[in-house]
Amino acid sequence: DGGITQSPKYLFRKEGQNVTLSCEQNLNHDAMYWYRQDPGQGLRLIYYSQIVNDFQKGDIAEGYSVSREKKESFPLTVTSAQKNPTAFYLCASSPRQVGTGETQYFGPGTRLLVL
Amino acid sequence: AQSVTQLGSHVSVSEGALVLLRCNYSSSVPPYLFWYVQYPNQGLQLLLKYTSAATLVKGINGFEAEFKKSETSFHLTKPSAHMRDAAEYFCAVSDEYSSASKIIFGSGTRLSIRP
Repeated sequence: DGGITQSPKYLFRKEGQNVTLSCEQNLNHDAMYWYRQDPGQGLRLIYYSQIVNDFQKGDIAEGYSVSREKKESFPLTVTSAQKNPTAFYLCASSPRQVGTGETQYFGPGTRLLVL
Repeated sequence: AQSVTQLGSHVSVSEGALVLLRCNYSSSVPPYLFWYVQYPNQGLQLLLKYTSAATLVKGINGFEAEFKKSETSFHLTKPSAHMRDAAEYFCAVSDEYSSASKIIFGSGTRLSIRP
C-alpha cells in the first residue's frame, strides 16, 4: 500500500535534548512538508522541500532542522533551541508543489511531549 | 495575501440533521480550495477540493461543498449527519501564485454529533 509513515507515534524529549521525527513516503512524490499542530491554531508550516537536497523554511522554522537526502525521506529534528516543542507534528507530501492545485497527503502524526 | 476563516470553532448537530461548516477565503487570484477531515490523534484526510471546474464539488462520506465567488465562500455540507462524522474539519486555500508550496489552513471546526 502506498502512503506516508511517521515514527514514532509518541516521543518524549528531555530538556536540552535534540530529537528526530521520521517521515517516509512511497508515493513517489516530489514535495514534502512538516507542520506543527497546536490546539485551536490549525496547522503551521515548519519546513518544506520541493526536490531532493533542497528545502525551505516555513512560517515557524526556528528551533527545527530538516534534511532531504532521499526522495522518500524527510526527517525533522527538534533542537534544544525550540523552547516549546510540545505539539502534534504532521508530515505531508504532494506530487508537485501545491501552487498547481495539488493535494497534500498526510501521515498519521507524531505527538511530542516534554519530560 | 491568502487567508481562510472558519466560522465557529465548534459545531454540534443531532444525528440525521444537516451539517453546515462555514469557510470564507481571501485570495487575489482564482483559488484552489480544500476541505480536510481529522479524526482524533490521526493525520488529515482529503474530503474534497475545488480547482475551477464545477462549482459544486462532491467528496467522500457524503460531503459536498459549493464555491461561491461572489461570497468568497466554500461551505461544507452533508444532508444527514452520522455519529462517525464527529471529527475536526479544516478548510484550506492555495493558488497558482502561492509562495512555492504554500497552502493556508483555517483554524479548524470541531463537529460533534448528538445521538
